[in-house]
Amino acid sequence: DADVTQTPRNRITKTGKRIMLECSQTKGHDRMYWYRQDPGLGLRLIYYSFDVKDINKGEISDGYSVSRQAQAKFSLSLESAIPNQTALYFCATSGLATGELFFGEGSRLTVL
Amino acid sequence: AQTVTQSQPEMSVQEAETVTLSCTYDTSESDYYLFWYKQPPSRQMILVIRQEAYKQQNATENRFSVNFQKAAKSFSLKISDSQLGDAAMYFCAYRSAYGTYKYIFGTGTRLKVLA
Repeated sequence: DADVTQTPRNRITKTGKRIMLECSQTKGHDRMYWYRQDPGLGLRLIYYSFDVKDINKGEISDGYSVSRQAQAKFSLSLESAIPNQTALYFCATSGLATGELFFGEGSRLTVL
Repeated sequence: AQTVTQSQPEMSVQEAETVTLSCTYDTSESDYYLFWYKQPPSRQMILVIRQEAYKQQNATENRFSVNFQKAAKSFSLKISDSQLGDAAMYFCAYRSAYGTYKYIFGTGTRLKVLA
């Protein structure tokens, strides 16, 4: 089983719908992140969390919200999806030891 | 704010040859981490190599090595003996050694390997 699991892997939805992307991890890391990947733009940070009580906005948080339900769970919500939120979304975790980011397998979201 | 720049949107290399991918970054900090991640068509993000800024020695992982020039703020990735499986998007990333622990990514370089 993957250390960082994202659901759903792929989702097609319509403009105006609410959608949640879920992330869970078994690495025991405190730090969790949500990134968005668009062609030519690389990965951009949406939100990050250092523990259950600590949530921080990244560079592109408008239109998104998050919830850290437990140390191992960090979900991303789009309250009212719009077509320019069509993208590949990654959840990631990091520990202090190596500084490395561990990624989930990505969730491809298409908003029609 | 820190920035990471990858100026080569796409590169090609012949199988078994060597290729170098460029990455520059901007920071006022003295201690940080640098990474190269590989994203094959499967879209999985895979760590290729990491470098700690306080270490002068360039990191090496099998066929992958870096040329870390701290003063020039340059962090290039060299792939030797290129293989078809090396074809992927490659992302350079920066993270401060303290503070917010945000990871900043470049826009990526798509590497094509020609048989």
